Amino acid sequence: EDQVTQSPEALRLQEGESSSLNCSYTVSGLRGLFWYRQDPGKGPEFLFTLYSAGEEKEKERLKATLTKKESFLHITAPKPEDSATYLCAVQARAAAGNKLTFGGGTRVLVKP
Amino acid sequence: KAGVTQTPRYLIKTRGQQVTLSCSPISGHRSVSWYQQTPGQGLQFLFEYFSETQRNKGNFPGRFSGRQFSNSRSEMNVSTLELGDSALYLCASSFRETQYFGPGTRLLVL
Repeated sequence: EDQVTQSPEALRLQEGESSSLNCSYTVSGLRGLFWYRQDPGKGPEFLFTLYSAGEEKEKERLKATLTKKESFLHITAPKPEDSATYLCAVQARAAAGNKLTFGGGTRVLVKP
Repeated sequence: KAGVTQTPRYLIKTRGQQVTLSCSPISGHRSVSWYQQTPGQGLQFLFEYFSETQRNKGNFPGRFSGRQFSNSRSEMNVSTLELGDSALYLCASSFRETQYFGPGTRLLVL
């Protein structure tokens, strides 16, 4: 069974204080690993897809990396508007369709 | 391009009732998936439809069902509602493997 574990559960940062979020996964053949951002009361917003170990993607202050067992989301010099819950999900090659298995998320609060 | 839309946005029902939620995917997307999000269980996959056929199903009881129409719009139905069905129900559409989520329908069962 595919499993995704995210750590830490919550993270409090000062504005400008860089940090990393971890996503550990076990999956029967990875088709893709996805990062989403979710604001309270809203649906998840797509950030990145990573397909193979060694791959990196960047968007503004966010950078996602992937190894064979985990992914990291690095937040560089965060601003208060980066406060959100960050969700990691995997898609298995063996699964029919686009089913995503999600981790529990990391709640990030950036204080000015 | 307009995003995924879901209606209604909020619903209050009582135990034993049934409910139907609606989802309109992004134009051109033929795959629609449904997820349930609760504080205790997080985001859990319900089912996926592609070209009006159920392509995959999660581990939910048969009270949860769905369908997809020829214009790719989808509905999900929950019969005989239980208190534990209170959740945010999210719909996502995709063209290839990346799923784009709607704002969700917040269901409260009293």
